[in-house]
Amino acid sequence: GESVGLHLPTLSVQEGDNSIINCAYSNSASDYFIWYKQESGKGPQFIIDIRSNMDKRQGQRVTVLLNKTVKHLSLQIAATQPGDSAVYFCALYGGGKLIFGQGTELSVKP
Amino acid sequence: KAGVTQTPRYLIKTRGQQVTLSCSPISGHRSVSWYQQTPGQGLQFLFEYFSETQRNKGNFPGRFSGRQFSNSRSEMNVSTLELGDSALYLCASSLLAEYRPTDTQYFGPGTRLTVL
Repeated sequence: GESVGLHLPTLSVQEGDNSIINCAYSNSASDYFIWYKQESGKGPQFIIDIRSNMDKRQGQRVTVLLNKTVKHLSLQIAATQPGDSAVYFCALYGGGKLIFGQGTELSVKP
Repeated sequence: KAGVTQTPRYLIKTRGQQVTLSCSPISGHRSVSWYQQTPGQGLQFLFEYFSETQRNKGNFPGRFSGRQFSNSRSEMNVSTLELGDSALYLCASSLLAEYRPTDTQYFGPGTRLTVL
């Protein structure tokens, strides 16, 4: 079945640096990918999404890159701030449901 | 526009009891999905409802059930609770339409269920 793997469970960056969080997926039939941010005690918050007919999409301080050849998804956060500290999940839409990776905990050092 | 709301936020039950959780989607959203989040298994899909019909179901036992009402509000029920059912239960809503078979899911804050 479909699966989503994570490269690093934790990531620590200095405030102001750029952060890159990676995900790998197994099924090339997936056509919709999403990144969520989850802060302690809250539900996942939508950050940015991308469909399979694109390889890059930019939002405010965030960029998602999709490499369908190697089945790899990444989230780049520019000028990381303390408020960006959270767990980040990649998810893909497959078989009528969202399938989530295990999450990367991002810590931002002041 | 108000976000997804879930009630109650916290719940403590004992083994063998049953529980009902409620979810109100974003106004205008017709699809409601439920997820279970635990430290060990992460976020796992339970089921999805669209226009009062269950469209998709995850790999959970029949003790987990749900329904959706005509106003798109949804409830999920867990019967004969087990210790392993302790988790954060999340509801997500999305707009969906015939021309958009997949759409962004927006999550509520979740209901924290503890089974003693």
